[in-house]
Amino acid sequence: SQQGEEDPQALSIQEGENATMNCSYKTSINNLQWYRQNSGRGLVHLILIRSNEREKHSGRLRVTLDTSKKSSSLLITASRAADTASYFCATAPATYNQGGKLIFGQGTELSVKP
Amino acid sequence: DGGITQSPKYLFRKEGQNVTLSCEQNLNHDAMYWYRQDPGQGLRLIYYSQIVNDFQKGDIAEGYSVSREKKESFPLTVTSAQKNPTAFYLCASSRVLREEELYEQYFGPGTRLTVT
Repeated sequence: SQQGEEDPQALSIQEGENATMNCSYKTSINNLQWYRQNSGRGLVHLILIRSNEREKHSGRLRVTLDTSKKSSSLLITASRAADTASYFCATAPATYNQGGKLIFGQGTELSVKP
Repeated sequence: DGGITQSPKYLFRKEGQNVTLSCEQNLNHDAMYWYRQDPGQGLRLIYYSQIVNDFQKGDIAEGYSVSREKKESFPLTVTSAQKNPTAFYLCASSRVLREEELYEQYFGPGTRLTVT
């Protein structure tokens, strides 16, 4: 079952602007991850935030996690045309013995116009 | 180069035929996964394996089968019982689950299967 819901489904911005994507989930998690997918390609891991963390940075990426609201956001600052891709959040259920399962959201399609 | 390979990139089959998708990794990862992605949607887990000779059903295992005879390989067979097999199939791997740690998943480039 899909527990991640992402918002917006599509986002179009100009190069240099910031892009914010949101993810909501339903059950307790061990961690939350963000992945990027270029059209017709595999996914690439961007960043992982643990359930006891509130914010994490990696280069131009900033991820926040609010476990009380069961939500996360991904901010890409100073966007570039090369950031154009689909972005997915994925949650790792807190229940042990899930075998490494991740539950993916529907994704946000980001278009950055030069 | 370490990574995951999937072959072929595009695959065409007639309805009623079984087809096997290849997934090989040289990352020395213990866990491997198969996902299905339909247009404009997220990934849905088909099967996963934490160790050689063992695998578990994911959320949409019906009509699919897998084997894990070697650590490096996790082939997926799409059988004729799968009602809507046309999709983009992604294989992934990760380091072994240790206590409550869950490692990031590394994905292959995918195989686009079209069944007519």
